[in-house]
Amino acid sequence: DTEVTQTPKHLVMGMTNKKSLKCEQHMGHRAMYWYKQKAKKPPELMFVYSYEKLSINESVPSRFSPECPNSSLLNLHLHALQPEDSALYLCASSRYTSAQETQYFGPGTRLLVL
Amino acid sequence: GDSVTQMEGPVTLSEEAFLTINCTYTATGYPSLFWYVQYPGEGLQLLLKATKADDKGSNKGFEATYRKETTSFHLEKGSVQVSDSAVYFCALSDRNQFYFGTGTSLTVIP
Repeated sequence: DTEVTQTPKHLVMGMTNKKSLKCEQHMGHRAMYWYKQKAKKPPELMFVYSYEKLSINESVPSRFSPECPNSSLLNLHLHALQPEDSALYLCASSRYTSAQETQYFGPGTRLLVL
Repeated sequence: GDSVTQMEGPVTLSEEAFLTINCTYTATGYPSLFWYVQYPGEGLQLLLKATKADDKGSNKGFEATYRKETTSFHLEKGSVQVSDSAVYFCALSDRNQFYFGTGTSLTVIP
């Protein structure tokens, strides 16, 4: 089973709202990732967690706050977003953060900020 | 730094035509190379991978060979189908980071 699940599939929020995106995998992977993808563009890395510790933060604004409560779960907390944050948010996981490891992607959460 | 350069699209082909999507890379270490496919409204799915020079990845009729001498990983398929219409991303993994190409949109018409 190489499935990564993400909820919700779609999310509409106002600029003053607080919401969370959820990502789950049961493959025993110890690395998990958040990406942001704008239309007709490649995914852009936001955060990398390795063994439940944040290892990479690609200078993401503080209105995005990641959390890894356990090895299967990854959250992205959203607060005071801007309309330009509207995008597809993709979660991925891999066995480890090593060059040979494949990243498996979830279907994404399509976010619209009004 | 590491990077991936991918053939610009969009590409439109007739069913059963031959497909090539070019991908070249720059890397300082010993990267692994991947092709991912993204169907409309979906996440990315791994299509194939190669982890060392001269490896050939293959899946669903698609193939790509890791060529260190030309720093390339071109995607090929001998006979495309309408169901292959999607966006294809070439990617490089080096140390603990993925680098994606810009994506190539493929439309196959009956």
